[in-house]
Amino acid sequence: AQKITQTQPGMFVQEKEAVTLDCTYDTSDQSYGLFWYKQPSSGEMIFLIYQGSYDEQNATEGRYSLNFQKARKSANLVISASQLGDSAMYFCAMREWGNNRLAFGKGNQVVVIP
Amino acid sequence: DVKVTQSSRYLVKRTGEKVFLECVQDMDHENMFWYRQDPGLGLRLIYFSYDVKMKEKGDIPEGYSVSREKKERFSLILESASTNQTSMYLCASSLFRTEAFFGQGTRLTVV
Repeated sequence: AQKITQTQPGMFVQEKEAVTLDCTYDTSDQSYGLFWYKQPSSGEMIFLIYQGSYDEQNATEGRYSLNFQKARKSANLVISASQLGDSAMYFCAMREWGNNRLAFGKGNQVVVIP
Repeated sequence: DVKVTQSSRYLVKRTGEKVFLECVQDMDHENMFWYRQDPGLGLRLIYFSYDVKMKEKGDIPEGYSVSREKKERFSLILESASTNQTSMYLCASSLFRTEAFFGQGTRLTVV
């Protein structure tokens, strides 16, 4: 089974600064997708960004970008210009296209302070 | 917009009861998933399904079963609820090779 690792403790980030959330993964498949989700205190799971294993360019979606380093099996999320509304739990996830399983890491807690 | 609806937001059940958690999606997605979320453990996959009547075990299937008789509905069944199954349960659905969309979650308490 695939394994996704998020090891950073809770983070405090100053408003308007950038923050990087680490994610490493382990898979023997060559074909897979990487996802980041945001879960605010309300509990809903919000999809943020996707990176395919064969995509050569790093994915970007507004203030979110994914720093994909395939050889290192790393898929870090970068949030630029943090806002108070970015305070949430962030989950990294991976889906191996061969078995269709979608697995998540344990999450990173981010608190943005004014 | 994709909508994934879980039948209950909060549920309290007694130990030993048979519990059904229902999930319905309205976007004709092939894939559906059930997770449980516990503090510090992230989302753990219980079961998933890629087609009607098809199911695959996730990482923690013990004590659970699932049913998918129609494409839009995926049910999670706790055959005999126990206190260690107290948790937040999240359902999700997706097409192949796309992001998953989540329901609002069911907070289940087993007493």
